[in-house]
Amino acid sequence: GAVVSQHPSWVICKSGTSVKIECRSLDFQATTMFWYRQFPKQSLMLMATSNEGSKATYEQGVEKDKFLINHASLTLSTLTVTSAHPEDSSFYICSALRGQGKETQYFGPGTRLLVL
Amino acid sequence: QKEVEQNSGPLSVPEGAIASLNCTYSDRGSQSFFWYRQYSGKSPELIMSIYSNGDKEDGRFTAQLNKASQYVSLLIRDSQPSDSATYLCAFHRGATNKLIFGTGTLLAVQP
Repeated sequence: GAVVSQHPSWVICKSGTSVKIECRSLDFQATTMFWYRQFPKQSLMLMATSNEGSKATYEQGVEKDKFLINHASLTLSTLTVTSAHPEDSSFYICSALRGQGKETQYFGPGTRLLVL
Repeated sequence: QKEVEQNSGPLSVPEGAIASLNCTYSDRGSQSFFWYRQYSGKSPELIMSIYSNGDKEDGRFTAQLNKASQYVSLLIRDSQPSDSATYLCAFHRGATNKLIFGTGTLLAVQP
C-alpha cells in the first residue's frame, strides 16, 4: 500500500515561533501533495496544493506568507507555520497523490499543533 | 448546492447489521470516487475507490456507483463497533487534482 508519513506528530510551541512540519511519501513518488487543516469537530479544509519544483497553490483565504510550503523533492513536502499564534492551533494533515489516470490521495497521520 | 452531499448522521446500526452510507455529487464530469474513514482525532484512511458504474467489493465493504444518478454508496456488512467512525465521500477533480469532500457521515455501531 501507499504510505505517507508526517513529522512531528505533536508539537507545542510558544506564540511567535515558527514550526516546520514534514510530509513524506515513503514508497512512491508524489509530484503533488496537499496540506489540510482540521479544527475539532469540523470538516477537512484544504489549505494548499504543493507541486514538486514549483510554487504552491493556496486556497482562498490562506495566507501564503504565514504558511510556507516547499516541495523540494518527489517524496518530501514541508509546511512551515511562521510566527504561530494560538489561533493556528489545529490538526495539520498532508496527503500525497499517487497514480496517473486513476489518481488517489493517501493521507499522512497528521500533526497536532498547539500554540501557547 | 454543495458539490458532494452526505447525510451527517449519526447513523446508528446494531452490531452485525449492514450499514448503508449514501452520497450524491453534482459534477457530471467526475470519474473517480472514494470513500475514506476517519476515526476521531485521526487522519482519513482510504477504504474504497470506484471508477465504473456498478458494484465493487472488498471484504466487508461494497461501493456502488451510478453515474447517471450521480450517486455513490458504501455498504458495510457485518458491522462491528470498530467501524464506528466518520465516513467521507469524495470525488477527484481532474483539472486541479483536488479531492472534493462531503462533510461526512458519522456511523455508530452499537454492540
